[in-house]
Amino acid sequence: GQQVMQIPQYQHVQEGEDFTTYCNSSTTLSNIQWYKQRPGGHPVFLIQLVKSGEVKKQKRLTFQFGEAKKNSSLHITATQTTDVGTYFCAGQSGGGADGLTFGKGTHLIIQP
Amino acid sequence: NAGVTQTPKFQVLKTGQSMTLQCAQDMNHEYMSWYRQDPGMGLRLIHYSVGAGITDQGEVPNGYNVSRSTTEDFPLRLLSAAPSQTSVYFCASRWEVGTEAFFGQGTRLTVV
Repeated sequence: GQQVMQIPQYQHVQEGEDFTTYCNSSTTLSNIQWYKQRPGGHPVFLIQLVKSGEVKKQKRLTFQFGEAKKNSSLHITATQTTDVGTYFCAGQSGGGADGLTFGKGTHLIIQP
Repeated sequence: NAGVTQTPKFQVLKTGQSMTLQCAQDMNHEYMSWYRQDPGMGLRLIHYSVGAGITDQGEVPNGYNVSRSTTEDFPLRLLSAAPSQTSVYFCASRWEVGTEAFFGQGTRLTVV
């Protein structure tokens, strides 16, 4: 079945440093979604990428979808303490059913 | 508009007990899913439904049952609780495949 690998599992940064998490799928994706989960909270949708090579920005967050639609990345510029949490990618395959496969997430820990 | 509501928020069960985790959404979404979240494992799909009367198994269905008699409700039943089912359970709903998923607040279940 479809597998979505996400690295790194943990990332410690100093406040103000940049952060990147990477997502790779074993199969071609129809789209990829990104979610953020604050400590003790629930996953919250951030963005969806659909097109090959697509790049989207949300303030300090930049999301990319690879040309082959098998990989994606999330980059945060100048991290702030409010960015703390776990970032998940979720790949959507072209098949039916639920079809949403989550990566294991990257825990972002920020040291002031 | 409450979104996705899960009850209870916390539950402690003894091995062998049964219980039902409740999930309700008021967004008229067709797709509903149950995930479990364990440390280092990300979100794993237990069961999902693509509409009232239609359910199917996800990645880790053993020990759980679901039914979908209405669009709004998607309860998850633990038939005979085991310590391995200690986890945080999230219910999610979305309009259709390829749209963002809305998560409930989660149920933290401990089986002793």
